[in-house]
Amino acid sequence: KQEVTQIPAALSVPEGENLVLNCSFTDSAIYNLQWFRQDPGKGLTSLLLIQSSQREQTSGRLNASLDKSSGRSTLYIAASQPGDSATYLCAATGSNDYKLSFGAGTTVTVRA
Amino acid sequence: DTGVSQNPRHKITKRGQNVTFRCDPISEHNRLYWYRQTLGQGPEFLTYFQNEAQLEKSRLLSDRFSAERPKGSFSTLEIQRTEQGDSAMYLCASSSEQFFGPGTRLTVL
Repeated sequence: KQEVTQIPAALSVPEGENLVLNCSFTDSAIYNLQWFRQDPGKGLTSLLLIQSSQREQTSGRLNASLDKSSGRSTLYIAASQPGDSATYLCAATGSNDYKLSFGAGTTVTVRA
Repeated sequence: DTGVSQNPRHKITKRGQNVTFRCDPISEHNRLYWYRQTLGQGPEFLTYFQNEAQLEKSRLLSDRFSAERPKGSFSTLEIQRTEQGDSAMYLCASSSEQFFGPGTRLTVL
């Protein structure tokens, strides 16, 4: 059974600082790795999807890396803004059934 | 159709009542997934369909829960004899790349 862990559980930074969010998974046989954003009481918004054959993906200020051999992914958010305050979830996709195994998330607060 | 929709968005019910949620996936997607998320946790897989066939059910899905996807289009998730522990956000996603709907928040009093 895939286990996904996110560290830290919460993070508070001043505006402008770079954010580093960590995700680890136990089974390296994944189809892909996704990072989601969730605002309080809302659904999930997909931020980045890294295929198992890829090492990283970038979108604007966001960059995510994937190291399957060590079972780790990292999400970097450059020059954080108060609007980045949210919970960030990583999820590993099973290679046969494509179901997602989620971590518990990292709640980010960016102070103005 | 621009995304996955779920109805209702919020449901408050009394313990012991039955509730039904609906998910309308993106029209060309043949896979549909249900997840449950409790406060402070990541979503947990409940069940998934490929077209109208229900291919897997999690152990989280007790016999009070039933899901259907008639004709491989929309899906319904029914909870019978609700318990306070069923209070959660119920999320639906379509496609292997998992486009998520806004969720249905269930509160059982």
